[in-house]
Amino acid sequence: AQSVTQPDIHITVSEGASLELRCNYSYGATPYLFWYVQSPGQGLQLLLKYFSGDTLVQGIKGFEAEFKRSQSSFNLRKPSVHWSDAAEYFCAVGRIQGAQKLVFGQGTRLTINP
Amino acid sequence: GAGVSQSPSNKVTEKGKDVELRCDPISGHTALYWYRQRLGQGLEFLIYFQGNSAPDKSGLPSDRFSAERTGESVSTLTIQRTQQEDSAVYLCASSNLKGSGNQPQHFGDGTRLSIL
Repeated sequence: AQSVTQPDIHITVSEGASLELRCNYSYGATPYLFWYVQSPGQGLQLLLKYFSGDTLVQGIKGFEAEFKRSQSSFNLRKPSVHWSDAAEYFCAVGRIQGAQKLVFGQGTRLTINP
Repeated sequence: GAGVSQSPSNKVTEKGKDVELRCDPISGHTALYWYRQRLGQGLEFLIYFQGNSAPDKSGLPSDRFSAERTGESVSTLTIQRTQQEDSAVYLCASSNLKGSGNQPQHFGDGTRLSIL
């Protein structure tokens, strides 16, 4: 069965600290992986995506993610967080070709301490 | 507009009433998707439309839910005889599957549905 697990429901970090959000997936084929961010009352904004090539992908707002096939993981990182990064983060997986019924994780809520 | 547009942004209705939610995808996007997001949860896939192909309705939770799309334009999601468990944010997304694939989904801001 296809699934995405985000083990951390809520993370709090201090402004300027580094961040890593975990994502593990189970998918029967080569996965197409995404990280989205959702601010309160807003839709989802795509941070980055991966389906092939270099396993370290760069996204918007200074985020990056690393695909590790052996660990079925796609963790999101940022070297130094800003107060504006406070939001809900979702990892998702879909198929590479054609329309995708994305399977989402439960989300990780990020709080930033000043 | 430049992005996916959904209306209304908020809807409050009484249990048992029918509701209709609207989605305007990004112009030229061939695929359109509906998801449901319950409070504190991730998104659950409901249905998607791709061009003239039959829609994939595999995520619809019951026969009270239905959706239509005209060509590659507007879509409506209809919930009949609403129940309190239908309270959620309903998100629409679109993507462009013409030419090379691997185009990500772009989401609207959602419709927050509250059933009293």
